[in-house]
Amino acid sequence: QLQMQESGPGLVKASGTLSLTCSVYGTPIRSESYYWGWVRQPPGKGLEWIGNVFYNENGHYDPSLESRVTISVDWSRNQFSLRLNSVTAADTAVYYCTRDFWSGYYRRPLEDWGQGILVTVAS
Amino acid sequence: HSALTQPASVSGSPGQSITISCTGTTSDVGGYESVSWYQQRQGKAPELIIFEVNSRPSGVSQRFSGSKSGNTASLTISGLRAEDEADFYCSSYTSENTYVFGSGTKVTVL
Repeated sequence: QLQMQESGPGLVKASGTLSLTCSVYGTPIRSESYYWGWVRQPPGKGLEWIGNVFYNENGHYDPSLESRVTISVDWSRNQFSLRLNSVTAADTAVYYCTRDFWSGYYRRPLEDWGQGILVTVAS
Repeated sequence: HSALTQPASVSGSPGQSITISCTGTTSDVGGYESVSWYQQRQGKAPELIIFEVNSRPSGVSQRFSGSKSGNTASLTISGLRAEDEADFYCSSYTSENTYVFGSGTKVTVL
């Protein structure tokens, strides 16, 4: 049974770096069947796709965040991480880690989600 | 890519059918058969209910169905139930190898 759990600081100072980790249980992340990524949701607002990685490819990121964001993978710990630099109050959101299924022919985007973690950027 | 356009709210009585639209461009909705829909109940993570325009993951009710015409995708909920009350988001693959979400629609069961 897949479980995905976000962890990291709930409070980040403005202009600093937001760093979150998603621990994956129940399946190896080193797989040709899954994309691993992040989605965020500002309080009271809609969903925003941040980006994802595939095991043998570079990450794909939303153009509006691309200059500030990196998604990396730690195969040995079965975890992947999000780093977002130069944060402002606009980056305050619930951050979800996500998994896409890839069959080699079709894709089920964002099929699995973590429970989410609220990160507040404060001055 | 700008967020896809959805109505802010849609409502219906139990047993009725409702349809939520999702309008994009030829660079996203209109260009790919990769539109997904997500249901988000209050305080919970979203759940995938439709992928590739009209496919349902295992376990998702047949009352949910999807379609697409040109740059607009649609989600229909038939036989509306109180438990369907939630926020619904569409999403599409884009020409930049990214994904974009819709603005979200609040469904109210009267």
